[in-house]
Amino acid sequence: GAGVSQTPSNKVTEKGKYVELRCDPISGHTALYWYRQSLGQGPEFLIYFQGTGAADDSGLPNDRFFAVRPEGSVSTLKIQRTERGDSAVYLCASSLQAGTNGEQFFGPGTRLTVL
Amino acid sequence: QQQVKQSPQSLIVQKGGISIINCAYENTAFDYFPWYQQFPGKGPALLIAIRPDVSEKKEGRFTISFNKSAKQFSLHIMDSQPGDSATYFCAADFSGTYKYIFGTGTRLKVLA
Repeated sequence: GAGVSQTPSNKVTEKGKYVELRCDPISGHTALYWYRQSLGQGPEFLIYFQGTGAADDSGLPNDRFFAVRPEGSVSTLKIQRTERGDSAVYLCASSLQAGTNGEQFFGPGTRLTVL
Repeated sequence: QQQVKQSPQSLIVQKGGISIINCAYENTAFDYFPWYQQFPGKGPALLIAIRPDVSEKKEGRFTISFNKSAKQFSLHIMDSQPGDSATYFCAADFSGTYKYIFGTGTRLKVLA
């Protein structure tokens, strides 16, 4: 079946603009995660959803970042007043169930560039 | 205490050789250690994973060695192939948080 898909694959925006990044998890996966990967670094956890609710948003760097998953499937990561330091690849992952028993399947990411 | 330290940063191996990547951690509460493989332009994909109740796990050409007392674990790729050229990330997780702590990655190049 289809894997995790993310759109757009690339997003270029100007400093101060608002962006939305979309994630379509694997069908039936209840857990969804967002990570951010800066150049030459490993992915860094941002937020985790179990169903519709954000179970853990401790990785969001500040209040400019927000994510939703209103129907328990598709999720959108929203970044307000973008800054150049937000430039990174934003990865989404999903798992059948939360926790260490559920392998996290990653999407290809959205490369965000803030000019 | 939340960090996972990974080395080397890059590695060049001849075809057929053994690739070894090392990771170390501090938090003894970690109880799941996956390795992910990432090709350019793609998301990371799970390669192999281990829990601290075993010292070694082998899947095909890939082996994880785990040293609980030293708080270290390593990935061994036997008979390395050019198709193995990718970036490898170790990670750690502990029950109840569901968020992986990733190492900084190792860029492996296997020469034909």
